[in-house]
Amino acid sequence: QQPVQSPQAVILREGEDAVINCSSSKALYSVHWYRQKHGEAPVFLMILLKGGEQKGHEKISASFNEKKQQSSLYLTASQLSYSGTYFCGTESPGAQKLVFGQGTRLTINP
Amino acid sequence: DTAVSQTPKYLVTQMGNDKSIKCEQNLGHDTMYWYKQDSKKFLKIMFSYNNKELIINETVPNRFSPKSPDKAHLNLHINSLELGDSAVYFCASSQDIPPSTVNTEAFFGQGTRLTVV
Repeated sequence: QQPVQSPQAVILREGEDAVINCSSSKALYSVHWYRQKHGEAPVFLMILLKGGEQKGHEKISASFNEKKQQSSLYLTASQLSYSGTYFCGTESPGAQKLVFGQGTRLTINP
Repeated sequence: DTAVSQTPKYLVTQMGNDKSIKCEQNLGHDTMYWYKQDSKKFLKIMFSYNNKELIINETVPNRFSPKSPDKAHLNLHINSLELGDSAVYFCASSQDIPPSTVNTEAFFGQGTRLTVV
């Protein structure tokens, strides 16, 4: 079953912060985050492998709450280049595959 | 050098035709995938291969047949194309196959936009 992302879309001004949530009805082994710009391929952002794990680089970070079966992606002081559609991909134990959420479209305006 | 390359980038064809999409990766990865992204941007796995062996075969019509002649190539052949097959098809590769590790980061090709008329 597909994880649910929220919000579906968000519009920000440059420099503002955003949080994108990913929630699954199934137990999770890992969560992956990807960003896709219009007309391009998805690009990997990060993998979270353990419950409670937090990862990040520069102004993009993520957390994984294994018990709640959810993950959140945090974008701080957003830049124009952050615009795109963000997908979480969840992996359940033994599944050997990712199931992607429906995506969150992020628009950053100057 | 493009890491994961797909050909063609665009494919317009009539219903009932048979077509193939080719994919090659030069990353030395062991695992390759086909994903389908529909008009609503929903990204869904179709197949995965590890060292030329089929690992994941999602419920897709058997008109879709993947072929992996070697670890670096994974082609997708589609028979008797239907209007509903119109979508963007992405090939991807990763070093390892899930269960996820730091080496299951997937690298995607640029996609093939298939339009069936």
